[in-house]
Amino acid sequence: DTAVSQTPKYLVTQMGNDKSIKCEQNLGHDTMYWYKQDSKKFLKIMFSYNNKELIINETVPNRFSPKSPDKAHLNLHINSLELGDSAVYFCASSQGFQPQHFGDGTRLSIL
Amino acid sequence: GENVEQHPSTLSVQEGDSAVIKCTYSDSASNYFPWYKQELGKGPQLIIDIRSNVGEKKDQRIAVTLNKTAKHFSLHITETQPEDSAVYFCAASFAGGGADGLTFGKGTHLIIQP
Repeated sequence: DTAVSQTPKYLVTQMGNDKSIKCEQNLGHDTMYWYKQDSKKFLKIMFSYNNKELIINETVPNRFSPKSPDKAHLNLHINSLELGDSAVYFCASSQGFQPQHFGDGTRLSIL
Repeated sequence: GENVEQHPSTLSVQEGDSAVIKCTYSDSASNYFPWYKQELGKGPQLIIDIRSNVGEKKDQRIAVTLNKTAKHFSLHITETQPEDSAVYFCAASFAGGGADGLTFGKGTHLIIQP
């Protein structure tokens, strides 16, 4: 069983569209995260949620809206997609002082 | 906020030799330092981590050292094998048990030459 799973794996869309990425973890963790990896492989935290509550929002444009329906799921909705949003988006989860586990990423390409 | 510098950006070693990747961090409050390995098309996978109350940790061919005073930590891989080829990331955070995000270095592309 995959511990942290993201869907879709690939997402190709036009500029200006709205899209969502879904993340689910089956590890029973309380905390979930979204990271963005740019074309130079730089990984940067976007959001973290603890027990469905937003904890970190790292100067991300408000076109990005995370939603956590329950502590096993953290979805990312992006409005009015821009060329600069092209990246790989990673979901991760952790519990307390334990390490973060990452999904395999969603590769978003904006045409 | 925290800033993590990682060197080198690319490291090429002969199979069987050792590889060392170095990182420095800026925030003295950081107390948790994981290392991740990322293979092509995959997410980062934790390979080893160290907390600030420990100076060194070893797991088979992989070891990490931490110098809190100098604010730097290093990854050592001995007897390198072809499957060690990947991008390696160091990271730092304040692991207070909450939802602290990791601050990553920019990665090292490790190439193992046969």
